[in-house]
Amino acid sequence: EAQVTQNPRYLITVTGKKLTVTCSQNMNHEYMSWYRQDPGLGLRQIYYSMNVEVTDKGDVPEGYKVSRKEKRNFPLILESPSPNQTSLYFCASGLRGGELFFGEGSRLTVL
Amino acid sequence: AQRVTQPEKLLSVFKGAPVELKCNYSYSGSPELFWYVQYSRQRLQLLLRHISRESIKGFTADLNKGETSFHLKKPFAQEEDSAMYYCALSGFNFNKFYFGSGTKLNVKP
Repeated sequence: EAQVTQNPRYLITVTGKKLTVTCSQNMNHEYMSWYRQDPGLGLRQIYYSMNVEVTDKGDVPEGYKVSRKEKRNFPLILESPSPNQTSLYFCASGLRGGELFFGEGSRLTVL
Repeated sequence: AQRVTQPEKLLSVFKGAPVELKCNYSYSGSPELFWYVQYSRQRLQLLLRHISRESIKGFTADLNKGETSFHLKKPFAQEEDSAMYYCALSGFNFNKFYFGSGTKLNVKP
């Protein structure tokens, strides 16, 4: 089944403890991106990648890192999480033309 | 600054009534506009996009560059249309995306 898979789906962690949220797609898409969703703010783009080894900042990149070593994987790294990074995170992959395929979301709580 | 505004958090209509979900945008360039939908317990998915000029599930949206709007319309709402709707904007190269805060549509029987 063609899909975008995120892990973990739920995570509670503490301030400063490095974590990685993985994202994998099996549709051979060149484009991948990460978003965070907060109440009243909709989805805000964190980082995106147009292809392997090509990444760039979205609207809210502070506190996050990404890497794109393989086409199918686009992990989101929080080196030193803080409470203001408590959010619902979505990964998406897509084709030229703007159709994005979303993962189910990862709910992160930073205490 | 690039911005997508959906002024209504919640829109309730009766089955068979017309529905219009509003979307206004601010973008320094020529935007590409989309509507995404999230049904209960499903993933966010594309409903329609301006460049395709298509009607999906009876929904249409017209890009009005003068009013910088991309309102989503359906003449006769169905209960299965109840969902969260997000308006989104991208540039011509489809790299950066901007989403509105979403409108929850509730279609009552």
